[in-house]
Amino acid sequence: AQSVSQHNHHVILSEAASLELGCNYSYGGTVNLFWYVQYPGQHLQLLLKYFSGDPLVKGIKGFEAEFIKSKFSFNLRKPSVQWSDTAEYFCAVSSGSNYQLIWGAGTKLIIKP
Amino acid sequence: NAGVTQTPKFQVLKTGQSMTLQCAQDMNHEYMSWYRQDPGMGLRLIHYSVGAGITDQGEVPNGYNVSRSTTEDFPLRLLSAAPSQTSVYFCASSPARDVKADTQYFGPGTRLTVL
Repeated sequence: AQSVSQHNHHVILSEAASLELGCNYSYGGTVNLFWYVQYPGQHLQLLLKYFSGDPLVKGIKGFEAEFIKSKFSFNLRKPSVQWSDTAEYFCAVSSGSNYQLIWGAGTKLIIKP
Repeated sequence: NAGVTQTPKFQVLKTGQSMTLQCAQDMNHEYMSWYRQDPGMGLRLIHYSVGAGITDQGEVPNGYNVSRSTTEDFPLRLLSAAPSQTSVYFCASSPARDVKADTQYFGPGTRLTVL
């Protein structure tokens, strides 16, 4: 069965630290890839997405992600995190269906001021 | 635009009770969906709709019904609540019928506890 794995369920960093959240998927076909974020008390919202082209995609608030097809990965990165980046981050990957994405379990990120 | 709205925000039910979770969107989106989120698991699709009058099952449809009589509304019905349905429920919509082709917009969630 297709799956999406987010390696770390909880990450705690200090402000200004660099961030990398892992996302690996098992689907072997053409994929569309997404990172969504849920800030405390807010709705889930799109952070960035990859459909095709440059495998390095930039999203909102200084986030970026790199699609590495050979590694089935789509890791999220930010060079210097801020306290306001405290949130839960979800990776999602298209499956063979047009109507369903496969979601990772999420990573809760806490930034210490 | 209000975006995607859900009511109620919190609900406690007893085993065997039925209820409806409401979801509405004012963006004229074709695709709407219901997910549940459980600790340590990703979002799992319960049901989805690609337009008024069209619904289909997702990954975990058992115990839930949906209908889509209008573009705006997509209620989720729990027929006979069970403790296993304790979860956080999210409604989402997307402008494209092909959900992998576009952004999904989420509601605030409903936290449901079944005793």
